[in-house]
Amino acid sequence: GAVVSQHPSRVICKSGTSVKIECRSLDFQATTMFWYRQFPKKSLMLMATSNEGSKATYEQGVEKDKFLINHASLTLSTLTVTSAHPEDSSFYICSANGQGGGYTFGSGTRLTVV
Amino acid sequence: QKEVEQDPGPLSVPEGAIVSLNCTYSNSAFQYFMWYRQYSRKGPELLMYTYSSGNKEDGRFTAQVDKSSKYISLFIRDSQPSDSATYLCAIETGANNLFFGTGTRLTVIP
Repeated sequence: GAVVSQHPSRVICKSGTSVKIECRSLDFQATTMFWYRQFPKKSLMLMATSNEGSKATYEQGVEKDKFLINHASLTLSTLTVTSAHPEDSSFYICSANGQGGGYTFGSGTRLTVV
Repeated sequence: QKEVEQDPGPLSVPEGAIVSLNCTYSNSAFQYFMWYRQYSRKGPELLMYTYSSGNKEDGRFTAQVDKSSKYISLFIRDSQPSDSATYLCAIETGANNLFFGTGTRLTVIP
């Protein structure tokens, strides 16, 4: 089945620095990938839709200059959290529309900003 | 009104019990219905995917869709402690427009 690989699984960074999270579709091509944020004991909140070769589409309230998305190839999308602050600490998850229906999710990245 | 409503639980059952998880939705345009299982600090894992009313079975899991009532269910038979997780329903119109329920936290007690 479709596999989405997400790295790193966990990262701790200092306030003011930037962090890049990678999301790869391993055995299929994904023209569209999705980035979610999840707070403890809450459901997934869609942040943006990443489109290969074009600009990402951000959901209302999500700062596009803070959460930079690059979808440079059919198998890779990256999310960069710029000038991170403690309030950006969260669980970030990517997904892609897999083969055979449904969406395949990465394993998530737990970001802690100290 | 939320697009998808799901009882957050928590739900605790003894091992071997039948578990029933449910979601309701408001938009009749929804066409695709999914159930995901999410273990703590992991990404959601697709359990069931269906697009028609009726039942779909996969091992101990049965997904049920009633489009007339806008109601979907996931049944887990012979529940195991390893089934302890958060279960999320997700519904889509078909244009990458995916809506998640809040998730139901399930604990299966040995």
